[in-house]
Amino acid sequence: QVQLVQSGAEVKKPGASVKVSCKASGYPFTAYHLHWVRQAPGQGLEWMGRINPKSGDTNYAQKFQGRVALTRDTSINTLYLELSRLTSDDTAIYYCARDQNPRPSNWFDPWGQGTLVTVSS
Amino acid sequence: EILMTQSPATLSVSPGERATLSCRASQSVGSNLAWYQQKPGQVPRLLIYGASTRATGIPARFTGSGSGTEFTLTISSLQSEDFAVYYCQQYNDWPITFGQGTRLEIK
Repeated sequence: QVQLVQSGAEVKKPGASVKVSCKASGYPFTAYHLHWVRQAPGQGLEWMGRINPKSGDTNYAQKFQGRVALTRDTSINTLYLELSRLTSDDTAIYYCARDQNPRPSNWFDPWGQGTLVTVSS
Repeated sequence: EILMTQSPATLSVSPGERATLSCRASQSVGSNLAWYQQKPGQVPRLLIYGASTRATGIPARFTGSGSGTEFTLTISSLQSEDFAVYYCQQYNDWPITFGQGTRLEIK
């Protein structure tokens, strides 16, 4: 079945960077766009960016421009989110999510299980 | 950026009754709207896309409607497992944006 399995929880200090991975299985990795969405504690969902795994092309929310990078390794069907210059406001659960359809759809199904990133001094 | 506003923030409904959740976009998104359900400690679950198309496996009691700037998610005859937070999401324009959520609680 289609699965997105994310890396484990991270604790980082302010100013540091974090890199979260998302391993896809059960479908052709390069056929579907992938996204990152985050959720701060007790808060709503916030879209961060998208990558076309085939081309590597990306779109980012302007809020994160300059400190976010989405990359992928097609040899191991894995997507990465790197976020730099972390502050306490970046404490959140980070989800990877796949477009539902091969033709870019921008609605998400399935989702990874989430990775908690805690930023604390 | 398109602002998505959901109302009410919290909705209290008795099991077996109908719930109506609203989502308004700050500008037209056509029918490019999805709804998700999220239960505590769980991953969001896709319910509706294209404003009115149920995702695979979603019960018929979930109905999405609307277009342009006004959208509604109706849950007829609420079941115990339906009490959760619901989010709308527009994908008509970048950046993709979500509403702040409506918490559906048991009355």
